[in-house]
Amino acid sequence: EVQVVESGGGLVQPGGSLRLSCAASGLTFNSYWMNWVRQAPGKGLEWVAKIKPDGNEKYYVDSVKGRFTISRDNAKNSLHLQMNSLRAEDTAIYYCVRSADYWGQGTLVTVSS
Amino acid sequence: DVVMTQSPLSLPVTLGQPASISCRSSQSLVHSDGNTYLSWFQQRPGQSPRRLIYRVSDRDSGVPDRFSGSGSGTDFTLKISGVEAEDVGVYYCMQGTHWPHTFGQGTKLEIK
Repeated sequence: EVQVVESGGGLVQPGGSLRLSCAASGLTFNSYWMNWVRQAPGKGLEWVAKIKPDGNEKYYVDSVKGRFTISRDNAKNSLHLQMNSLRAEDTAIYYCVRSADYWGQGTLVTVSS
Repeated sequence: DVVMTQSPLSLPVTLGQPASISCRSSQSLVHSDGNTYLSWFQQRPGQSPRRLIYRVSDRDSGVPDRFSGSGSGTDFTLKISGVEAEDVGVYYCMQGTHWPHTFGQGTKLEIK
């Protein structure tokens, strides 16, 4: 059975940091691009970042460039998103997505004082 | 960035009747490898998105055949041949040809 499980969300003050993690099982992890996609409360979807299977190429949407870092550990079937200098507009559910086909349940990040 | 424009944004449908959602991109979605990376996602209330269609018209495993995708270049359509109660939710088109990948605004399908 395929499982993609995110963790690490929570409430953080503006300017703070959070590290999201994603554990994947039941699927071939190290052959696929892995991604983070977010959804602000009641809003649409935004593709935040993606990372190549070998980890050597990473792409970010402009709004998070320089603040977020995507990484992966293929030996542990895990994906991470280090989020620094968080802003109120980063408040969203963050989904871990394999390629575009397997999505986790998401983890909520709330940036507020 | 490529802008994806969906219409309509609200779609009331009678059970058993067909439904159609249009998606237009601000530039061609034909990739240099010859493929067109246009996908459709369904998001039921309170759930994560689920991909229904990829590469314009390929249905994902387990997706009922009442869902079909078509189109080319910049103009794409998702059709549901006969809407069922479980189809209620928001539908998004997404382009994976250009970075950043971008989604349409979403179309909310409800039962009339």
